[in-house]
Amino acid sequence: DIQMTQSPSSLSASVGDRVTITCRASQGISNYLAWFQQKPGKAPKSLIYAASSLQSGVPSKFSGSGSGTDFTLTISSLQPEDFATYYCQQYYSYPFTFGPGTKVGIK
Amino acid sequence: EVQLVESGGGLVQPGGSLRLSCAASEFTFSSHAMSWVRQAPGKGLEWVSGISGSGSSTYYADSVKGRITISRDNSKNTLYLQMNSLRAEDTAVYYCARLHRGGDWNSIDYWGQGTLVTVSS
Repeated sequence: DIQMTQSPSSLSASVGDRVTITCRASQGISNYLAWFQQKPGKAPKSLIYAASSLQSGVPSKFSGSGSGTDFTLTISSLQPEDFATYYCQQYYSYPFTFGPGTKVGIK
Repeated sequence: EVQLVESGGGLVQPGGSLRLSCAASEFTFSSHAMSWVRQAPGKGLEWVSGISGSGSSTYYADSVKGRITISRDNSKNTLYLQMNSLRAEDTAVYYCARLHRGGDWNSIDYWGQGTLVTVSS
């Protein structure tokens, strides 16, 4: 199975900050990488697919990049509604696997 | 608006069984592969199982293989998860998720609100 790691596991940031989260796959997954946002007590929300394509309705402050084994999610200007936990997931091969998550908190 | 509504969760004893359902609406159900994803209390997301649009192909996480069966009824626009030999570690919120239109190797675009399964005596 493909293992996914994320760094950092948590971070504190201020409104307006640029935030970058890294995701790494244990083997090459081309661009079969998605990002999700989850707020406490809520279902996850899909943000990005194919490493860099925005899901419909997702604001352009979110961007993704990477290919192969290393990927990043960037939030260009953090807003109060962006404080949440972010997960990456590979869908290159079954079983699909998620990263452990990165919690973005308020500084 | 795409809707995915899970049901069937609840309290079950260790070793017991439960069947989850996910009613889908506002899209062509058979055109999309589907998945179940779970989240144990205070933990991260865990992919559990997937199924092709036709239902002919199924996929499972090692942690549930042999105990869980995914299926779908395209005539009823409903996804199922039959869970047997349940263990305490199966306690989680179970989410139904739709994959992008096309093949089985696609990302999730929509999620249901989840149903809680608690395995305890």
